[in-house]
Amino acid sequence: DAKTTQPPSMDCAEGRAANLPCNHSTISGNEYVYWYRQIHSQGPQYIIHGLKNNETNEMASLIITEDRKSSTLILPHATLRDTAVYYCIVRVESGGYQKVTFGTGTKLQVIP
Amino acid sequence: GAVVSQHPSWVICKSGTSVKIECRSLDFQATTMFWYRQFPKQSLMLMATSNEGSKATYEQGVEKDKFLINHASLTLSTLTVTSAHPEDSSFYICSARVSGGQGAITGELFFGEGSRLTVL
Repeated sequence: DAKTTQPPSMDCAEGRAANLPCNHSTISGNEYVYWYRQIHSQGPQYIIHGLKNNETNEMASLIITEDRKSSTLILPHATLRDTAVYYCIVRVESGGYQKVTFGTGTKLQVIP
Repeated sequence: GAVVSQHPSWVICKSGTSVKIECRSLDFQATTMFWYRQFPKQSLMLMATSNEGSKATYEQGVEKDKFLINHASLTLSTLTVTSAHPEDSSFYICSARVSGGQGAITGELFFGEGSRLTVL
């Protein structure tokens, strides 16, 4: 079962920062927070992941609260191409045989 | 980066026929692959976990005799929809977990482009 909750939809003006929240209150100590996005009719694309420290890459920043029960994905300057469904997932990094399930995600609409 | 390729990307078939979808990891080895199904405007639903050299583990409510999964090598898993019917029309997506290979971190998960099945 999915272990995360996200708002179903959000709007963001083009050029502004998009902040997408995710609650994962039952996260285990060895589980990472992963973010993927899915542009219409394509497979999910990896964005970023983290354990407890904030992370940044060329696509986004990930802010994880100190208690690790929630996180925020930040797209610093949203463009129209960032319109997609964003999924927050918790899983162990090495994976093993842990299955990976998706919640409902947040549909981000970037508005011109 | 690591690439997962699905084939075909779209397929149309007649009701009652069987359709095979391939999922290949192109530059890494994957002992574990996942198959998902996605209906319009819905999230990805995990169908089964495919482990190389062993039987797949199916999620509750997924008919293993209808959705045959074979994972005979470290780079290939196949999903066969047997006796397809219009209600099987969906977007099928596979993902592969890196277990080895150059250029990818062990444990990382990569997704295919998806295969859209339309059953007439």
